[in-house]
Amino acid sequence: NAGVMQNPRHLVRRRGQEARLRCSPMKGHSHVYWYRQLPEEGLKFMVYLQKENIIDESGMPKERFSAEFPKEGPSILRIQQVVRGDSAAYFCASSPGLAEETQYFGPGTRLLVL
Amino acid sequence: EDQVTQSPEALRLQEGESSSLNCSYTVSGLRGLFWYRQDPGKGPEFLFTLYSAGEEKEKERLKATLTKKESFLHITAPKPEDSATYLCAVQAQSSGTYKYIFGTGTRLKVLA
Repeated sequence: NAGVMQNPRHLVRRRGQEARLRCSPMKGHSHVYWYRQLPEEGLKFMVYLQKENIIDESGMPKERFSAEFPKEGPSILRIQQVVRGDSAAYFCASSPGLAEETQYFGPGTRLLVL
Repeated sequence: EDQVTQSPEALRLQEGESSSLNCSYTVSGLRGLFWYRQDPGKGPEFLFTLYSAGEEKEKERLKATLTKKESFLHITAPKPEDSATYLCAVQAQSSGTYKYIFGTGTRLKVLA
């Protein structure tokens, strides 16, 4: 049973470009969470999605960041007009649903903004 | 404000030297407490879930315990391969949903 998959694993962008990070949850999981991790800091919650629904986006910056989890295909975290401060590791996690709270994490995407 | 604090920030042990990592929390509506292991350049790997005070879980050289205010991760006779960052997270109810709040982790180095 494949785990949570994220791609790309590494992404380099110049300031002002767009970054698209993809996450495929574990088989049978319908809940997806995105986190950001900066060096020497903990994982910070960004957004929680179910298929075609954003449940909680309280951790998302108000501008330039968006997320979706379409009916078909992976969840996408999109960062428009990237700035150097967006450089971080972005992790996706999935869970089956509220009845089973444990979240399982993917390997992450390391974004570097030049 | 919901908060999770882990201590120590870093810990160096000799192989075979047992110790404990601490995770203290202040949250409302606690649903569960989770321990993860994270190796450099990788995603967090799930270790344990604890739901109620007094609960204990074990896996190989690791044992997690939970009280009403904190959790401990006990490492018995550690080996160099136990070197990693150990993360604690709590799931708390917030505005009708459940959110994970992570501590900043304890970086463990076990020397051969």
